[in-house]
Amino acid sequence: QSALTQFPSASGSPGQLVTISCTGTSSDVGAYNSVSWYQQHPGKAPKLIIYEVSQRPSGVSDRFSGSKSGNTASLTVSGLQAEDEANYYCSSRTGSGNVIFGGGTKLTV
Amino acid sequence: EVQLVESGGGLVQPGGSLRLSCTGSRFTLAEHYMGWVRQAPGKGLEWVARINRDSSEKLYVDSVKGRFTISRDHARNSLYLQMGSLRADDTAVYYCATEAWWRMDVWGQGTTVTVSS
Repeated sequence: QSALTQFPSASGSPGQLVTISCTGTSSDVGAYNSVSWYQQHPGKAPKLIIYEVSQRPSGVSDRFSGSKSGNTASLTVSGLQAEDEANYYCSSRTGSGNVIFGGGTKLTV
Repeated sequence: EVQLVESGGGLVQPGGSLRLSCTGSRFTLAEHYMGWVRQAPGKGLEWVARINRDSSEKLYVDSVKGRFTISRDHARNSLYLQMGSLRADDTAVYYCATEAWWRMDVWGQGTTVTVSS
């Protein structure tokens, strides 16, 4: 199964709003509300920032929000800060019960 | 601080085997579904395998089926990934993580596996 599709890069200035998209199919993103987003700084482990499309784990800034429409999920980062510069990965449940990740988006602030 | 700690990575020749371990620090693995995720150098994340709490359910990505085995030992508070018939494209940082409803909540720091002659 191919990875979910993410644009390789995104950018914004401090204080701005940026949206990162993640496109799958009707067998994964479109079929389930099991979309998650992870933030990964260079050399570090990924960190869960959104789960079940739009839920934030405790301790994650409310500047991060998620949504989904059809086969495409989106992560919005508002009020961009320098520490938001990182790689962002989406993931989804698949029909076989596995997890599939997107290729990642490098966010530059 | 709650931590997952991986170990067992290293350099191995193509066709060889390696066993990765993941233990919990101030964290009880038995309470969680657990999984392995890998990241090839300069590449994205790839889900590898998952095991449920009583080890009755194990799932794998197609590329490792028949070559990798996930297991756990509650007495040792540990998770394992036995890797065999290793190939160059298995070269990656391997992370263990808790997995709940297809999301990975708690991650280890990763252990590096290099398959090369």
